[in-house]
Amino acid sequence: QQQVKQSPQSLIVQKGGISIINCAYENTAFDYFPWYQQFPGKGPALLIAIRPDVSEKKEGRFTISFNKSAKQFSLHIMDSQPGDSATYFCAASVDNYGQNFVFGPGTRLSVLP
Amino acid sequence: DAGVIQSPRHEVTEMGQEVTLRCKPISGHNSLFWYRQTMMRGLELLIYFNNNVPIDDSGMPEDRFSAKMPNASFSTLKIQPSEPRDSAVYFCASSLESRGETQYFGPGTRLLVL
Repeated sequence: QQQVKQSPQSLIVQKGGISIINCAYENTAFDYFPWYQQFPGKGPALLIAIRPDVSEKKEGRFTISFNKSAKQFSLHIMDSQPGDSATYFCAASVDNYGQNFVFGPGTRLSVLP
Repeated sequence: DAGVIQSPRHEVTEMGQEVTLRCKPISGHNSLFWYRQTMMRGLELLIYFNNNVPIDDSGMPEDRFSAKMPNASFSTLKIQPSEPRDSAVYFCASSLESRGETQYFGPGTRLLVL
């Protein structure tokens, strides 16, 4: 029940296209959902996060869509660029100050020039 | 701010040797996390501290692993004795103890146990 599922495992998109990564969870106690971006040889870095009281959050070209009833959330990258090529992790936590995240397995995104 | 600092960045050791990984969190942060990343298992939380106190060590794989945080600016993760299956990238992250605070990850230590 603590698991966060993520798909696809890898994704190839042409420059200018839309990248979509999906995540699903079971634990209804989760109430904080961040996305982390990791470049090769670097640690993950927070990209964008959402709480279940909203269905969508947008920051620049990055949008999180959240479906509480389906227990699913997704990351959309609009106008994908080669510089977006990285591994993306969704995560979930019970936002009780401890920030004990459960991470999805990751999606390796390649944006072709 | 220098961010989270980890040392060493790379470590190659032989099976049976003791390995000590070090982490300096961001100044002022009071939560510290140790993660392990492998291709097979992804990013796993090993242990996290709040105000230097271990809160959840359920992710520590076995007794060969131990972690300490003697003060707010330093933590260690020790593996003794090390085994080839411990080969992974180990990340330290820190955050403020508050709702929705970002975890800031260090650059990681790439460990290879021969």
